[in-house]
This record gives sequence, structure tokens and C-alpha cells, in this order.
Amino acid sequence: QVQLVESGGGVVQPGRSLRLSCAASGFTFSNSGMHWVRQAPGKGLQWVAVIWYDGGQKYYADSVKGRFTISRDVSKNTLYLEMNSLRVEDTAVYYCAKALSCSGGSCSHDFWGQGTLVTVSS
Amino acid sequence: EIVLTQSPGTLSLSPGERATLSCRASQSVRSNYLAWYQQRPGRAPRLLMDGASSRATGIPDRFSGSGSGTDFTLTISRLEPEDFAVYYCQQYGSSPETFGQGTKVEIK
Repeated sequence: QVQLVESGGGVVQPGRSLRLSCAASGFTFSNSGMHWVRQAPGKGLQWVAVIWYDGGQKYYADSVKGRFTISRDVSKNTLYLEMNSLRVEDTAVYYCAKALSCSGGSCSHDFWGQGTLVTVSS
Repeated sequence: EIVLTQSPGTLSLSPGERATLSCRASQSVRSNYLAWYQQRPGRAPRLLMDGASSRATGIPDRFSGSGSGTDFTLTISRLEPEDFAVYYCQQYGSSPETFGQGTKVEIK
């Protein structure tokens, strides 16, 4: 069965960095586009970033562009999100999500991880 | 970007009743690329509907989706206890993909 397991969340001070990981299993990772979606405490869902199945294209939400980097290691079936210059408003549960149906870089998501909480606070 | 507005914000119903959730887009959603998700407290979102009206794998037939252009609806024909949750619509026809703010279906 498909499994997505995030890790790497924690408490970090503003301006610092953090790297999230998402270990994938149960499907052909190298054939699937992958996304990060976040949810601030008590709020709705916000798309963060996407990486194409082959890593050839990457797109970001304006709010994280230039600060976050999405990447993938097919040999490890793992998705990453490198987060730099973190801000208080980046505080959220971060989910990795598998792409299902897509139009360009925008997709529906048939599988989600359980999420990892990132808290940015001084 | 396309803004999705869901209504009502909260729906108070009893088990066995019918729930009708609305999602309105600020501009037409290309090719009806509209999905619905269910999120229970402390859990990840779960895909219910894809392409506006196609049920995802394993989703019971009491869930149905309809609509086109800018107006979409998720209907739950008879609420089961496990259906009380928050529901989000999402458009993926344009970049960036965007989500509505959610509708909470609570027990009356």
C-alpha cells in the first residue's frame, strides 16, 4: 500500500533553516510528481511546491519562492523540502502529497503523508 | 490566482440527513479540474472527488460531486457518523493550485 512518511519538523528560530523529508513506498516514486502542502494551526490548506516526476520542473508558491527548495532522491524514494530564512508565518503542518491528475504543475492528490509540524518562534 | 469560496462555513446536521456543500470559483475552472477532500481532526486530507464528479478509489457512493465553470457542489446523501469533518475544494486547472477555506460539517 502507498505510504508517505514525513520527518524533520521541529521548533526553529526565525531566520534559521530546516530540511523536511518524505519517505515514499508502495508506488513507483520515479513516475510520480510530488508536492508539499502546508496547513497553519486552525487554518486551511496552502500549496507550497511541486517537483515533476523526473525532477525536471519545480514550481513554488510566491510566499516561499527564493527561500524554499524542493528536491527528490529517486535512489532513496525520498522527497525533500529545504527551508531557509524561516518566518513566523511559515509555522504549519507540512504534508507531502502524491500527484494524481495534473494540469501543468497543478494536481489533485490521491495520497498524503501524516504531516510534520514546523514551528518558527523566537 | 483563482480564489475558491466555500459555503456555508459550518453545516449543522444530524446523522442520516443530506449535506450540500458549495464551492464557488473567482473564475472558470479549466476542464472542471476540481477536487474535494475530507479532513478529520488531527488527520491528513483524504481525496473524495476528482474532476468534479469522479469518486476516488474506495469512496462510498453516498458522496457525489457536480458542477462546472465556477460553481461546484459536493453532496453527501445520508450522513454517517464518520462523515462529520471539514471538507475542502481544490482547483488544479490553473497555477497555482488553490484550496477553499473549508466547510465544517458538525453534528446538530
